Amino acid sequence: GNSVTQMEGPVTLSEEAFLTINCTYTATGYPSLFWYVQYPGEGLQLLLKATKADDKGSNKGFEATYRKETTSFHLEKGSVQVSDSAVYFCALLYTGGFKTIFGAGTRLFVKA
Amino acid sequence: DVKVTQSSRYLVKRTGEKVFLECVQDMDHENMFWYRQDPGLGLRLIYFSYDVKMKEKGDIPEGYSVSREKKERFSLILESASTNQTSMYLCASSLSSRGNEQFFGPGTRLTVL
Repeated sequence: GNSVTQMEGPVTLSEEAFLTINCTYTATGYPSLFWYVQYPGEGLQLLLKATKADDKGSNKGFEATYRKETTSFHLEKGSVQVSDSAVYFCALLYTGGFKTIFGAGTRLFVKA
Repeated sequence: DVKVTQSSRYLVKRTGEKVFLECVQDMDHENMFWYRQDPGLGLRLIYFSYDVKMKEKGDIPEGYSVSREKKERFSLILESASTNQTSMYLCASSLSSRGNEQFFGPGTRLTVL
């Protein structure tokens, strides 16, 4: 079946450090892939997305590339800020489906 | 700006009460969803709807029902609230086309005493 696996947290980094949050997926066909972010006390919001292989999604300095050969969609940011502290969810929407499959979420803490 | 609103941010109810959680979206989206979010369990889909008056069970529908009488409104109903339904409830909506993301409301934190 379709599933998403992302690295467990929490991840704690100092400001300006490099961030990678790993995400791999299992899906039939060609799903769309997403990263959502949830700031404290809020609902989830879309951070970036990619709809086909080799697409790169980017937003607010975050990037992720849809790698079909490794079934991965790792999230990266070159220099994190304290304001990036949040929970990050990797997700997929499978072809022809209504439902989005979410990973378990990775909590990021960024220290000043 | 697109918007999904939920009727309450915080709600406290007693065991056995009937509870209504309301969600409204202003984006003319076909699909609407109800999730619950619990520490260590991530997001779990309770019910979703892909059209007015249509509903489908998600992964954990037991103890819940839903209603969608109008396109913009999707209600979650706890027929007889229990303490194990204490949770954060998130509503979301999306368009029915490839690659469309979900838009989430701010969540309702429900406590059942």
